[in-house]
Amino acid sequence: EVQLVESGGAVVPPGGSLRLSCEASGFTFDDYAMHWVRQAPGKGLEWVSLISWDGSDTYYGDTVKGRFTISRDNSKNSLYLQMNSLIPEDTAFYFCARINTALRAFDFWGQGTVVAVSS
Amino acid sequence: EIVLTQSPGTLSLSPGERATLSCRASQTIGTNYLAWYQQRPGQAPRLLIYGASRRATGIPDRFTGSGSGTEFTLTISRLEPADFAMYYCQKYGSSSETFGPGTKVEVK
Repeated sequence: EVQLVESGGAVVPPGGSLRLSCEASGFTFDDYAMHWVRQAPGKGLEWVSLISWDGSDTYYGDTVKGRFTISRDNSKNSLYLQMNSLIPEDTAFYFCARINTALRAFDFWGQGTVVAVSS
Repeated sequence: EIVLTQSPGTLSLSPGERATLSCRASQTIGTNYLAWYQQRPGQAPRLLIYGASRRATGIPDRFTGSGSGTEFTLTISRLEPADFAMYYCQKYGSSSETFGPGTKVEVK
């Protein structure tokens, strides 16, 4: 059974940093590119970042570029999101999601972890 | 950059009725690049449709995707209680993803 379990969410002050983790199981992790998608309270889905299967390629949404860094450790079946210079607008549920390139869609999602940026 | 627009913002219907949700792209997108997701309150999104019209594993046949070019539609033939939720369309990209703002299907 495919599982994605996020952790690391917390309440942080503006300007602070946080590292989110996503532990994957039930599939061959390094066969897949992985993404982070976030959802602010009461809002829609916003794509955050993408990392290729081997970590060699990374991409970011305009709202987080230069502040967030995506990475992965295939030996640990884990995905990470380092978030720096946090602002209140970063407050959201953060989901990790597996992209199935054959379907061209996200076929599995984690349950999310909450980040709240507040003083 | 392609922008996705969904309409209506909210759809108020009764169980058993038919729901028709629209997703419009600002530019033509390939049929294989459009997906639909359902999100129930407090849950992660769930893939319903990929390639504009292909149902994902385990998705009942009352969900139908159609469309091409810039106009795509998700139809729920007979609404069941579990279908009252948010629905998002998404365009697949090689280096980024785009979601529509969503349509809420609520109980009338």
